[in-house]
Amino acid sequence: DVVMTQSPLSLPVTLGQPASISCRSSQSLVYSDGNTYLNWFQQRPGQSPRRLIYKVSNRDSGVPDRFSGSGSGTDFTLKISRVEAEDVGVYYCMQGTHPLTFGGGTKVEIK
Amino acid sequence: QVQLVQSGAEVKKPGASVKVSCKASGYTFTGYYMHWVRQAPGQGLEWMGRINPNSGGTNYAQKFQGRVTMTRDTSISTAYMELSRLRSDDTAVYYCARLTGPDYWGQGTLVTVSS
Repeated sequence: DVVMTQSPLSLPVTLGQPASISCRSSQSLVYSDGNTYLNWFQQRPGQSPRRLIYKVSNRDSGVPDRFSGSGSGTDFTLKISRVEAEDVGVYYCMQGTHPLTFGGGTKVEIK
Repeated sequence: QVQLVQSGAEVKKPGASVKVSCKASGYTFTGYYMHWVRQAPGQGLEWMGRINPNSGGTNYAQKFQGRVTMTRDTSISTAYMELSRLRSDDTAVYYCARLTGPDYWGQGTLVTVSS
């Protein structure tokens, strides 16, 4: 199975400042159809997860444009350009080829 | 609007089985895979498997092979996840989720395994 490794585990951020989360996969996520099925999820405290980004860099509907995804092959990044209070939670990367696997999560908190 | 509504919390003894339901509405149930993801207390997300509601075909994570069974009843747009031979480390919130197209998640079902 593909192992997804996130860093850092915890990310204290000042409101209005940027944040960046790294995700590395144990093998290339480029699928046979040419797509790279790397997704990012946000889980706010006490809530179900929701997807923010699909196929590396595509924002889901309703996701603020301060969230962006980038990367290729085995290295991926989620960036928040200016952290807001509502961004507190745990962020997970997930690779979308069978079997699906999640990263361990990065907890974003306000300093 | 799309909704996934799961069954209520369960308390089970070690060795027992649990069956969690997930009722879908607001979209064509047979058109999208249904995934099951669990989250142990204070831990991360763990994919358990998926079912194709149209064919009934399933794919399970290796870790759960032999213990998990995913089924569906298309007449009532409901997916089920049954986990057998429960252990204390199966205590978790279990989510159903549609991950294709816009994603939708159920509210989660807490399963507690305790003697």
